[in-house]
Amino acid sequence: GNSVTQMEGPVTLSEEAFLTINCTYTATGYPSLFWYVQYPGEGLQLLLKATKADDKGSNKGFEATYRKETTSFHLEKGSVQVSDSAVYFCALNTNAGKSTFGDGTTLTVKP
Amino acid sequence: DVKVTQSSRYLVKRTGEKVFLECVQDMDHENMFWYRQDPGLGLRLIYFSYDVKMKEKGDIPEGYSVSREKKERFSLILESASTNQTSMYLCASTWGRSNQPQHFGDGTRLSIL
Repeated sequence: GNSVTQMEGPVTLSEEAFLTINCTYTATGYPSLFWYVQYPGEGLQLLLKATKADDKGSNKGFEATYRKETTSFHLEKGSVQVSDSAVYFCALNTNAGKSTFGDGTTLTVKP
Repeated sequence: DVKVTQSSRYLVKRTGEKVFLECVQDMDHENMFWYRQDPGLGLRLIYFSYDVKMKEKGDIPEGYSVSREKKERFSLILESASTNQTSMYLCASTWGRSNQPQHFGDGTRLSIL
């Protein structure tokens, strides 16, 4: 079956530090890949996506590249802010819009 | 923007009660989903629906049922609430295509006393 494994948290960084959250996946076929973010007290919202190999998704300074050869979709940001503190979920879709989610990684950014 | 609205942000019920959680989306999405979110367990799929009056069991359907009488509305029903159903419940919707993301409501934090 499909699965998503993401870096265990929590992750604590100082403001302006570099962020990487690792995500690897197992899937049949050619999945689309997503990163979602969940701020405290809210639902998940789409951060970025990539739908085919070598695509790079980007949004709000975050980036992730779909690497088929390593089945990975690592999330990066060059300089994090306190407002980036949230839970980040990696996910994949195969057919009909059904998703498989990772367990989430909690990021705390300190001033 | 897509709007997914869950009827309550916080809800407190007693064991044995029948509980209804409502979810409405305004984008004519075919697919709708109910998840529960618990610390350390991530998101777990309870039920989903690909069309009106269609439903499929997810990973943890026991103790729950769903109803989808209209395309925009997907209801989660706890037939006889128990304390182990205390959780955050998230509704989501999407187009029926694999390259589209899910759109989530803000969640209902349900406490069963």
